[in-house]
Amino acid sequence: KAGVTQTPRYLIKTRGQQVTLSCSPISGHRSVSWYQQTPGQGLQFLFEYFSETQRNKGNFPGRFSGRQFSNSRSEMNVSTLELGDSALYLCASSLVGEMSPLHFGNGTRLTVT
Amino acid sequence: GQQLNQSPQSMFIQEGEDVSMNCTSSSIFNTWLWYKQDPGEGPVLLIALYKAGELTSNGRLTAQFGITRKDSFLNISASIPSDVGIYFCAGQGGSNYKLTFGKGTLLTVNP
Repeated sequence: KAGVTQTPRYLIKTRGQQVTLSCSPISGHRSVSWYQQTPGQGLQFLFEYFSETQRNKGNFPGRFSGRQFSNSRSEMNVSTLELGDSALYLCASSLVGEMSPLHFGNGTRLTVT
Repeated sequence: GQQLNQSPQSMFIQEGEDVSMNCTSSSIFNTWLWYKQDPGEGPVLLIALYKAGELTSNGRLTAQFGITRKDSFLNISASIPSDVGIYFCAGQGGSNYKLTFGKGTLLTVNP
């Protein structure tokens, strides 16, 4: 069974630009979550989607948005990029239910210059 | 908000030694998870704990869900060089599907 796939693996953008990251969950997993990982803040929750609906949202500004498609694939978008947005963005998928742990992809490394 | 205190922050050990790390929380969690992250990769799930007091093993790894539901520990026995990496604890509470992560424990194993 293929794992969580994230594209692209690496991205370099300039301040003020926008970026879209993509995530394909494990087959059969309908919940997709996004996390930001930085050396200073660690792993921080961005948002979680299920059945094309955002169920939970972390404490990030509105420049961070996401969506989920009917095939459970998800995208996240960051507009008006800032230097502080440089991070590893991790997508995770799970089956539905509390006893369904998250399985992570290898992330997209975003560098903002 | 919920916070997890993970300790130690880093460990330097000799191959063959046992390792112990733990996480404590100011809030109750319904699920405790332990992940390992290698450089350039995403976290990989090691052990999932769903019940207070539960003790679960996965090979040389053993983890426990604290009775108070506010803490968990992970033990690694007879460490080997490939155990090197960052270990994260994570807690999940109620119907909120968000995970709260500890800051991680960086493990270095000297052969």
